[in-house]
Amino acid sequence: DAGITQSPRHKVTETGTPVTLRCHQTENHRYMYWYRQDPGHGLRLIHYSYGVKDTDKGEVSDGYSVSRSKTEDFLLTLESATSSQTSVYFCAIRDRVRDNTDTQYFGPGTRLTVL
Amino acid sequence: QKEVEQDPGPLSVPEGAIVSLNCTYSNSAFQYFMWYRQYSRKGPELLMYTYSSGNKEDGRFTAQVDKSSKYISLFIRDSQPSDSATYLCATHGGGFKTIFGAGTRLFVKA
Repeated sequence: DAGITQSPRHKVTETGTPVTLRCHQTENHRYMYWYRQDPGHGLRLIHYSYGVKDTDKGEVSDGYSVSRSKTEDFLLTLESATSSQTSVYFCAIRDRVRDNTDTQYFGPGTRLTVL
Repeated sequence: QKEVEQDPGPLSVPEGAIVSLNCTYSNSAFQYFMWYRQYSRKGPELLMYTYSSGNKEDGRFTAQVDKSSKYISLFIRDSQPSDSATYLCATHGGGFKTIFGAGTRLFVKA
Protein backbone atom coordinates (compact mmCIF):
# COMPACT_ATOMS: atom_id res chain seq x y z
CA ASP A 1 0.00 0.00 0.00
CA ALA A 2 1.67 3.22 -1.18
CA GLY A 3 -0.66 5.43 0.85
CA ILE A 4 -2.58 6.80 -2.13
CA THR A 5 -6.18 7.90 -1.90
CA GLN A 6 -8.42 9.32 -4.59
CA SER A 7 -11.57 11.35 -4.26
CA PRO A 8 -14.29 11.14 -5.21
CA ARG A 9 -14.40 7.42 -5.96
CA HIS A 10 -17.46 7.79 -8.17
CA LYS A 11 -18.89 10.80 -9.93
CA VAL A 12 -21.65 11.41 -12.44
CA THR A 13 -21.72 14.79 -14.09
CA GLU A 14 -23.19 16.52 -17.10
CA THR A 15 -21.51 17.61 -20.30
CA GLY A 16 -19.98 21.05 -20.03
CA THR A 17 -19.50 21.10 -16.27
CA PRO A 18 -16.07 21.40 -14.64
CA VAL A 19 -14.84 18.43 -12.63
CA THR A 20 -11.86 18.13 -10.30
CA LEU A 21 -10.42 14.83 -9.12
CA ARG A 22 -8.03 14.69 -6.20
CA CYS A 23 -5.11 12.39 -5.53
CA HIS A 24 -3.54 12.40 -2.09
CA GLN A 25 -0.38 10.61 -0.99
CA THR A 26 1.14 10.39 2.47
CA GLU A 27 4.72 9.29 1.75
CA ASN A 28 6.33 12.37 0.20
CA HIS A 29 6.83 10.90 -3.27
CA ARG A 30 8.19 13.33 -5.83
CA TYR A 31 6.57 11.88 -8.96
CA MET A 32 2.80 11.62 -9.35
CA TYR A 33 0.78 10.61 -12.40
CA TRP A 34 -2.76 10.72 -13.73
CA TYR A 35 -3.94 7.96 -16.09
CA ARG A 36 -7.21 7.07 -17.68
CA GLN A 37 -8.15 3.46 -18.37
CA ASP A 38 -10.54 2.52 -21.14
CA PRO A 39 -11.37 -0.85 -22.72
CA GLY A 40 -8.98 -1.64 -25.54
CA HIS A 41 -6.62 1.19 -24.65
CA GLY A 42 -5.20 0.17 -21.33
CA LEU A 43 -3.65 2.86 -19.17
CA ARG A 44 -2.92 6.14 -20.93
CA LEU A 45 -0.95 8.92 -19.31
CA ILE A 46 -2.77 12.25 -19.02
CA HIS A 47 -0.36 14.42 -17.02
CA TYR A 48 2.41 13.88 -14.55
CA SER A 49 4.23 15.90 -11.92
CA TYR A 50 7.87 15.79 -10.87
CA GLY A 51 7.56 18.21 -7.98
CA VAL A 52 5.51 21.02 -6.49
CA LYS A 53 4.33 23.26 -9.33
CA ASP A 54 6.25 21.09 -11.85
CA THR A 55 3.96 19.30 -14.26
CA ASP A 56 4.03 18.08 -17.84
CA LYS A 57 1.70 16.60 -20.42
CA GLY A 58 1.22 12.95 -21.23
CA GLU A 59 -0.15 11.35 -24.37
CA VAL A 60 -3.84 12.28 -23.85
CA SER A 61 -3.71 15.69 -22.16
CA ASP A 62 -6.22 17.59 -24.32
CA GLY A 63 -9.17 18.75 -22.23
CA TYR A 64 -7.36 18.20 -18.94
CA SER A 65 -5.30 20.40 -16.64
CA VAL A 66 -3.46 19.61 -13.42
CA SER A 67 -2.10 21.40 -10.42
CA ARG A 68 0.25 20.48 -7.62
CA SER A 69 0.57 23.13 -4.94
CA LYS A 70 1.63 20.66 -2.22
CA THR A 71 3.74 17.51 -2.41
CA GLU A 72 0.90 15.35 -1.18
CA ASP A 73 -1.86 16.53 -3.53
CA PHE A 74 -2.17 16.26 -7.30
CA LEU A 75 -5.39 17.58 -8.81
CA LEU A 76 -6.83 16.72 -12.22
CA THR A 77 -9.37 19.13 -13.69
CA LEU A 78 -11.68 18.63 -16.62
CA GLU A 79 -12.47 22.23 -17.54
CA SER A 80 -15.62 21.34 -19.48
CA ALA A 81 -16.44 17.65 -19.28
CA THR A 82 -17.38 15.74 -22.44
CA SER A 83 -18.83 12.27 -22.87
CA SER A 84 -15.49 11.07 -24.29
CA GLN A 85 -13.99 11.70 -20.86
CA THR A 86 -16.15 9.04 -19.30
CA SER A 87 -13.52 6.69 -17.94
CA VAL A 88 -11.81 5.31 -14.89
CA TYR A 89 -9.06 7.62 -13.67
CA PHE A 90 -6.07 6.34 -11.74
CA CYS A 91 -3.47 8.27 -9.84
CA ALA A 92 -0.02 6.74 -9.36
CA ILE A 93 3.22 7.51 -7.60
CA ARG A 94 6.74 6.45 -8.48
CA ASP A 95 8.77 4.58 -5.91
CA ARG A 96 11.81 2.38 -5.58
CA VAL A 97 11.44 -1.37 -5.12
CA ARG A 98 13.95 -3.63 -3.46
CA ASP A 99 16.70 -3.76 -6.09
CA ASN A 100 16.52 -0.04 -6.89
CA THR A 101 14.05 -0.52 -9.73
CA ASP A 102 11.66 2.38 -10.12
CA THR A 103 8.08 1.44 -10.57
CA GLN A 104 4.62 2.90 -10.14
CA TYR A 105 1.98 2.23 -7.52
CA PHE A 106 -1.64 3.04 -8.14
CA GLY A 107 -4.54 4.47 -6.21
CA PRO A 108 -7.97 2.83 -6.11
CA GLY A 109 -9.37 4.84 -9.04
CA THR A 110 -12.21 7.27 -9.71
CA ARG A 111 -15.06 6.17 -11.93
CA LEU A 112 -16.32 9.20 -13.85
CA THR A 113 -19.44 9.25 -15.99
CA VAL A 114 -20.23 12.27 -18.15
CA LEU A 115 -23.82 12.34 -19.36
CA GLN B 1 2.23 0.55 -33.80
CA LYS B 2 1.91 0.60 -30.02
CA GLU B 3 5.12 0.45 -28.04
CA VAL B 4 3.77 -2.48 -26.03
CA GLU B 5 1.38 -5.02 -27.52
CA GLN B 6 -0.68 -7.37 -25.40
CA ASP B 7 -3.48 -9.72 -26.41
CA PRO B 8 -6.61 -8.61 -24.49
CA GLY B 9 -8.04 -12.12 -24.25
CA PRO B 10 -10.13 -13.17 -22.46
CA LEU B 11 -8.19 -16.26 -21.54
CA SER B 12 -10.16 -18.98 -19.74
CA VAL B 13 -8.42 -21.93 -18.08
CA PRO B 14 -9.38 -24.66 -15.59
CA GLU B 15 -8.11 -24.51 -12.04
CA GLY B 16 -4.62 -25.99 -11.73
CA ALA B 17 -3.58 -25.15 -15.29
CA ILE B 18 -0.35 -23.40 -16.19
CA VAL B 19 -1.10 -19.95 -17.58
CA SER B 20 1.14 -18.12 -20.02
CA LEU B 21 0.62 -14.39 -20.56
CA ASN B 22 2.69 -12.51 -23.10
CA CYS B 23 3.62 -9.09 -24.41
CA THR B 24 5.87 -7.75 -27.11
CA TYR B 25 7.55 -4.37 -27.13
CA SER B 26 9.24 -2.32 -29.80
CA ASN B 27 11.84 -0.12 -28.10
CA SER B 28 15.17 -1.81 -27.42
CA ALA B 29 15.96 0.91 -24.85
CA PHE B 30 13.44 -0.59 -22.42
CA GLN B 31 15.33 -2.25 -19.56
CA TYR B 32 12.80 -2.66 -16.75
CA PHE B 33 9.78 -4.91 -17.06
CA MET B 34 6.80 -5.24 -14.76
CA TRP B 35 3.61 -7.21 -14.45
CA TYR B 36 0.62 -5.73 -12.70
CA ARG B 37 -2.51 -7.56 -11.59
CA GLN B 38 -5.82 -5.71 -11.55
CA TYR B 39 -8.93 -7.11 -9.96
CA SER B 40 -12.30 -5.85 -11.14
CA ARG B 41 -13.00 -2.27 -10.01
CA LYS B 42 -9.60 -1.99 -8.31
CA GLY B 43 -6.32 -0.24 -9.12
CA PRO B 44 -3.44 -2.18 -10.69
CA GLU B 45 -1.07 -3.71 -8.16
CA LEU B 46 2.56 -4.54 -8.83
CA LEU B 47 3.01 -8.29 -9.13
CA MET B 48 6.48 -8.87 -10.57
CA TYR B 49 9.38 -6.82 -11.87
CA THR B 50 12.60 -7.74 -13.67
CA TYR B 51 15.61 -5.93 -15.00
CA SER B 52 16.96 -6.79 -18.46
CA SER B 53 16.76 -10.38 -19.69
CA GLY B 54 16.21 -13.53 -17.70
CA ASN B 55 13.75 -15.15 -15.34
CA LYS B 56 12.45 -14.18 -11.95
CA GLU B 57 10.36 -16.45 -9.79
CA ASP B 58 8.06 -15.60 -6.89
CA GLY B 59 5.96 -18.46 -5.58
CA ARG B 60 3.65 -19.65 -8.37
CA PHE B 61 4.62 -16.74 -10.63
CA THR B 62 7.56 -16.57 -13.05
CA ALA B 63 8.40 -13.50 -15.11
CA GLN B 64 10.55 -13.99 -18.17
CA VAL B 65 12.15 -11.42 -20.48
CA ASP B 66 13.78 -12.17 -23.81
CA LYS B 67 15.34 -8.92 -25.01
CA SER B 68 16.60 -10.45 -28.24
CA SER B 69 13.02 -11.03 -29.39
CA LYS B 70 11.49 -8.18 -27.31
CA TYR B 71 9.16 -10.64 -25.63
CA ILE B 72 7.83 -10.53 -22.05
CA SER B 73 6.08 -13.46 -20.40
CA LEU B 74 4.34 -14.21 -17.12
CA PHE B 75 3.73 -17.83 -16.13
CA ILE B 76 1.30 -18.81 -13.40
CA ARG B 77 1.61 -22.36 -12.08
CA ASP B 78 -1.25 -24.22 -10.41
CA SER B 79 -3.66 -21.42 -11.27
CA GLN B 80 -6.42 -20.65 -8.78
CA PRO B 81 -9.82 -18.95 -9.17
CA SER B 82 -8.35 -16.10 -7.11
CA ASP B 83 -5.92 -15.47 -9.97
CA SER B 84 -8.84 -14.33 -12.12
CA ALA B 85 -7.98 -10.74 -12.97
CA THR B 86 -6.58 -8.54 -15.70
CA TYR B 87 -2.80 -8.72 -16.06
CA LEU B 88 -0.93 -5.74 -17.48
CA CYS B 89 2.63 -5.81 -18.66
CA ALA B 90 4.66 -2.61 -18.37
CA THR B 91 8.12 -1.39 -19.20
CA HIS B 92 10.42 1.62 -19.08
CA GLY B 93 13.99 2.49 -19.94
CA GLY B 94 14.97 3.84 -16.52
CA GLY B 95 13.13 7.13 -16.87
CA PHE B 96 9.99 8.27 -15.13
CA LYS B 97 7.47 7.28 -17.80
CA THR B 98 6.14 3.74 -17.93
CA ILE B 99 4.47 2.20 -20.96
CA PHE B 100 1.63 -0.22 -20.24
CA GLY B 101 0.11 -2.97 -22.31
CA ALA B 102 -3.67 -2.99 -22.70
CA GLY B 103 -4.03 -5.94 -20.31
CA THR B 104 -5.14 -9.57 -20.67
CA ARG B 105 -8.27 -10.72 -18.87
CA LEU B 106 -7.79 -14.12 -17.23
CA PHE B 107 -10.54 -16.37 -15.90
CA VAL B 108 -9.64 -19.43 -13.86
CA LYS B 109 -12.58 -21.80 -13.55
CA ALA B 110 -13.05 -23.89 -10.43
